[in-house]
Amino acid sequence: KAGVTQTPRYLIKTRGQQVTLSCSPISGHRSVSWYQQTPGQGLQFLFEYFSETQRNKGNFPGRFSGRQFSNSRSEMNVSTLELGDSALYLCASSIGPHAFFGQGTRLTVV
Amino acid sequence: DQQVKQNSPSLSVQEGRISILNCDYTNSMFDYFLWYKKYPAEGPTFLISISSIKDKNEDGRFTVFLNKSAKHLSLHIVPSQPGDSAVYFCAARTQGGSEKLVFGKGTKLTVNP
Repeated sequence: KAGVTQTPRYLIKTRGQQVTLSCSPISGHRSVSWYQQTPGQGLQFLFEYFSETQRNKGNFPGRFSGRQFSNSRSEMNVSTLELGDSALYLCASSIGPHAFFGQGTRLTVV
Repeated sequence: DQQVKQNSPSLSVQEGRISILNCDYTNSMFDYFLWYKKYPAEGPTFLISISSIKDKNEDGRFTVFLNKSAKHLSLHIVPSQPGDSAVYFCAARTQGGSEKLVFGKGTKLTVNP
């Protein structure tokens, strides 16, 4: 089985721009979650989608949004980028309590 | 409020010996606990999990112990190998239909040859 695929792997954006990250989950997994990893805060939950519906949301500003498509693929969008948004963004697909992560997208905001 | 805590930022052990990584939690509503291993700039790799109704789960060299009364879990790696050197994260899921995980801040394990 193919694992979780995230694209792109690396991204450099300028403050004020917006960015869209993509995640293809493991086949058959309907739950997709997104996490932000920074050196100071560790892995923090952004949101979870299940069958195209947002099922849970973390404590992030409204600039962070996401969606899930009918094939379970998910995207997250960050608008009006700030320097502090520089992080590793991780997508996880789950079946039951077991979440499997992609390689992540390293976003650098300059 | 940090619901999952890994109080040791780092741990160093000799190859062949036991590595014990610890994790404490505060939320009694957690129903599943998981351990992940992570290398820099990569996604976490799932290692082992345990349901809150069990006190031990074993998979090869990895064993997880859960002490619900103390709200404490630990990951034992025996024997430790240099390839085990990585950051280990403890994570917990809250019961109630979401797959959201709450992570500790991680423990960096170094296994010396």
